[in-house]
Amino acid sequence: RKEVEQDPGPFNVPEGATVAFNCTYSNSASQSFFWYRQDCRKEPKLLMSVYSSGNEDGRFTAQLNRASQYISLLIRDSKLSDSATYLCALDTGRRALTFGSGTRLQVQP
Amino acid sequence: ETGVTQTPRHLVMGMTNKKSLKCEQHLGHNAMYWYKQSAKKPLELMFVYSLEERVENNSVPSRFSPECPNSSHLFLHLHTLQPEDSALYLCASRPGSGDTGELFFGEGSRLTVL
Repeated sequence: RKEVEQDPGPFNVPEGATVAFNCTYSNSASQSFFWYRQDCRKEPKLLMSVYSSGNEDGRFTAQLNRASQYISLLIRDSKLSDSATYLCALDTGRRALTFGSGTRLQVQP
Repeated sequence: ETGVTQTPRHLVMGMTNKKSLKCEQHLGHNAMYWYKQSAKKPLELMFVYSLEERVENNSVPSRFSPECPNSSHLFLHLHTLQPEDSALYLCASRPGSGDTGELFFGEGSRLTVL
């Protein structure tokens, strides 16, 4: 089993839709979790950290489910500008973050 | 303006060339990283430096040679590369390698090996 797995997509959704991505991980000792956004041919940029209690930032909500070992990202009222690849990342005790391969989102007018 | 700066942004080299990628961070961090991102693959950790000491070498071929002269600068020296080494090379930093916080990335150096 891969350390971090994501559905590559693409998820094609209309503007205004709600879309959710999951990311599963295999290392139960992982302590910190993140969602990054990566635009085409650009570097990943932090979207939000994922806390045990869940957290929300505007239209974005992140959740952690330790029992089932996954994190999720919910985007409400999708905008065209949300089109990007969303990478989950977690600390697996290797002094660095381990990344999933990303889920591509395409928001259509 | 990013706190992590990478140069060059684009590099084309032949298999017999020697070139270097440079990374500089202005964030006062003590840990610096090289990641490789190939098409349709996840970011692959290459090297981790903490206070100029290499603390992780993720089974990277010897044709990639990192150098960290101080905590603000990181280099990746390239020689006799293969076409499959073509990728986006991302430098990142964070306060300490033992931290569990986010990584701050540079804009990347896109390498093409002919």
